[in-house]
Amino acid sequence: EVQLVESGGVVVPPGGSLRLSCAASGFAFDAYTMHWVRQAPGKGLDWVSLITWDGENSHYADSVKGRFTISRDNSKNSLYLQMNSLRTEDTAFYYCAKEGTGDPYFDHWGQGTLVTVSS
Amino acid sequence: AIQLTQSPSSLSASVGDRVTITCRASLVISSALAWYQHIPGKPPKLLIHHASSLNSGVPSRFSGSASGTDFTLTISSLQPEDFATYYCQQFNTFPWTFGQGTKVEIK
Repeated sequence: EVQLVESGGVVVPPGGSLRLSCAASGFAFDAYTMHWVRQAPGKGLDWVSLITWDGENSHYADSVKGRFTISRDNSKNSLYLQMNSLRTEDTAFYYCAKEGTGDPYFDHWGQGTLVTVSS
Repeated sequence: AIQLTQSPSSLSASVGDRVTITCRASLVISSALAWYQHIPGKPPKLLIHHASSLNSGVPSRFSGSASGTDFTLTISSLQPEDFATYYCQQFNTFPWTFGQGTKVEIK
């Protein structure tokens, strides 16, 4: 059974930094592109970032480019999101998501971790 | 970025009703569209990919179709566990984008 478990969400002041983690199990983690998707309170889903299976390529939404860095450690079956220069508008549930076979839709999601940016 | 516009934004329906949700893309996206169900407190769940392919384990009362830039999610007979918010997502053109969601509520 595929499992994705996020952690690291806390309350952080504007301008602060945070690192989210996602522990994966139940599938060949090192064979799949992985994504982060977020949902602000009362809002819809918003794609944030992706990293290819080998960690060689990554892409970001314009709203986080230059502030967030996605990474992975295939030896630990883990995905990360380093979040710097946080803004109040980054407040959201952050989900890690496994890409479907061959195309960037999301066939498994974690439960999410809440990041609150507030003074 | 490609915009996806869902309609309606919300609807009220009864158990057993047939429900249809539409997602209109601002540009041609071929069949690169997925549908998700999101129940508060749970992770989003993939229902449909490539516009009409039912994901493994998803009940057959869910179906998807496409006509040009218009996509439809149909629930043939609404069940109590189907009350949720539904999102479409396009994966034809980077950046991947979602519709704003359609909340299905109990009448």
